[in-house]
Amino acid sequence: GENVEQHPSTLSVQEGDSAVIKCTYSDSASNYFPWYKQELGKRPQLIIDIRSNVGEKKDQRIAVTLNKTAKHFSLHITETQPEDSAVYFCAASRSALYAGGTSYGKLTFGQGTILTVHP
Amino acid sequence: NAGVTQTPKFQVLKTGQSMTLQCAQDMNHEYMSWYRQDPGMGLRLIHYSVGAGITDQGEVPNGYNVSRSTTEDFPLRLLSAAPSQTSVYFCASSITGPSGNTIYFGEGSWLTVV
Repeated sequence: GENVEQHPSTLSVQEGDSAVIKCTYSDSASNYFPWYKQELGKRPQLIIDIRSNVGEKKDQRIAVTLNKTAKHFSLHITETQPEDSAVYFCAASRSALYAGGTSYGKLTFGQGTILTVHP
Repeated sequence: NAGVTQTPKFQVLKTGQSMTLQCAQDMNHEYMSWYRQDPGMGLRLIHYSVGAGITDQGEVPNGYNVSRSTTEDFPLRLLSAAPSQTSVYFCASSITGPSGNTIYFGEGSWLTVV
């Protein structure tokens, strides 16, 4: 099955700096890579995702890059703010066909990165 | 529109007891799943379902049972609780699966087995 490795496990930055979190995956058939942010005691929430036919995607201060050849993808947060402090998870999924042709998939998560942004 | 609703939010069990974590969604999603979250290990898939009457095992299914009798409900049963099952459990759903579709998580259920 799929294996997703995430680094670093903790990341501490000063407000205004950039933060980069990297993930590698093992299944070359994986084609969907979301990133989730989880605040303490809360549920994970999707912040950005990328599909395998795209190399980069941006949404304001957040960007994700994908290198299919090397099987790794990264989350980039620019101009970090204290409210960016949270645990960030990467994930990977591949489509799986079930009866009737409907496409599903299983999401495999990385271990998480605790990001702390110091004011 | 309540989204994904999980109950209970907190539960303490004794070793050997059984219990059911309830999950319901009102978005008519075909795909529902259960994850457990442990420190340093991310979220791991326990069981999932692609529609009423269809379930399958995830990464860590041992000690858990599921059923999907309706589109809305996907309960998770702990047959004989063990301390190793102390964890935070999240139910999640999406339209047709996580590959390209947004997954919606419930608020989580904190389970302690003593």
